[in-house]
Amino acid sequence: GENVEQHPSTLSVQEGDSAVIKCTYSDSASNYFPWYKQELGKGPQLIIDIRSNVGEKKDQRIAVTLNKTAKHFSLHITETQPEDSAVYFCAASTEGNTPLVFGKGTRLSVIA
Amino acid sequence: KAGVTQTPRYLIKTRGQQVTLSCSPISGHRSVSWYQQTPGQGLQFLFEYFSETQRNKGNFPGRFSGRQFSNSRSEMNVSTLELGDSALYLCASSPHNEQFFGPGTRLTVL
Repeated sequence: GENVEQHPSTLSVQEGDSAVIKCTYSDSASNYFPWYKQELGKGPQLIIDIRSNVGEKKDQRIAVTLNKTAKHFSLHITETQPEDSAVYFCAASTEGNTPLVFGKGTRLSVIA
Repeated sequence: KAGVTQTPRYLIKTRGQQVTLSCSPISGHRSVSWYQQTPGQGLQFLFEYFSETQRNKGNFPGRFSGRQFSNSRSEMNVSTLELGDSALYLCASSPHNEQFFGPGTRLTVL
């Protein structure tokens, strides 16, 4: 089955700097890669996703890149703000077929 | 649209008891998935229901079960609770592939 590895487990950045979180997956059949943000006491919130027919997707300060050959995908947050502090999860699945498999999460702290 | 709602939000049980958790999906969403979240294991898939049928099942013992009703609301049940079942149980509803999570039910087993 699918296995998703996520790094780093914790990340501290200064406000205004960029943050990058990386994930690798094992199943070459996976074609859907969402990213979730989880704040304390809340459920994960979908912030961006990418499908395997696209190499990059951007939404304001957030971007995701996908390298199918290397089986890895990354989340990029630019101009970080204190409200970006949260736990971020990557996930992978074969769309419409298999359930999401999540990475173990990255705790991002943005220091003002 | 209202988001995914889960009840109760917090629950304390003792070993050996059983528990039922409830999830109301976003209106129009027919798929409901359940996940267990713990600090050690992260987010682990329990099962998915679509149109009242279990479509996928994770690697959990038979003590964990679920069902979905005709209005897409879903329940999950855990029988013979163990200390290790203490976790945040998350429900996610989906119109197609994107999953939208509720706030979760925090279950503590004493």
